[in-house]
Amino acid sequence: GQSLEQPSEVTAVEGAIVQINCTYQTSGFYGLSWYQQHDGGAPTFLSYNALDGLEETGRFSSFLSRSDSYGYLLLQELQMKDSASYFCAVGYRNNQAGTALIFGKGTTLSVSS
Amino acid sequence: ETGVTQTPRHLVMGMTNKKSLKCEQHLGHNAMYWYKQSAKKPLELMFVYSLEERVENNSVPSRFSPECPNSSHLFLHLHTLQPEDSALYLCASSQLDGGTEAFFGQGTRLTVV
Repeated sequence: GQSLEQPSEVTAVEGAIVQINCTYQTSGFYGLSWYQQHDGGAPTFLSYNALDGLEETGRFSSFLSRSDSYGYLLLQELQMKDSASYFCAVGYRNNQAGTALIFGKGTTLSVSS
Repeated sequence: ETGVTQTPRHLVMGMTNKKSLKCEQHLGHNAMYWYKQSAKKPLELMFVYSLEERVENNSVPSRFSPECPNSSHLFLHLHTLQPEDSALYLCASSQLDGGTEAFFGQGTRLTVV
């Protein structure tokens, strides 16, 4: 089966750096992505890693190690508006030659002043 | 506006009612998904349609019936639901083999009474 693990909650202060880890078990893996969801809103795409290494997009970076089935999202220069839930998601190919996304339980990030 | 539109945004229905949720995407994607998001639980994949064919059904009860008449539209038909089916139902779309970037609608908040 498919499974992902990430911490349930993380707290930090404005200006700090926070790392949210994600470990996964899946067959047919082809990529790891991260989504942000504010209360009452839809998840929005943040970043995607198909290959090992670091991808940087502004204040957010994402890392993947396929051999370790591990990735993380790094948020720098935290702002109050970064308070949200963050989900890692694994893309995989299923037996019927389709593709699908499965999401972790989400990490609630609380940023305080 | 994410390019994925869901209607209605809110729905209250009795356990004997029949209703349908609608999702429409204007992004030219060829895969569409239904997810369920309950309080304190991860995003649960319900159905995946790839090139208008259902390729994944994660053991969803038969009281949920999906329909994908074309690549732009996805429905979720509901009948004889239970109170525990109350949740946020999210539709998403993506491009097959286009990475794991999925675009979500704003969701339908369903309450079963």
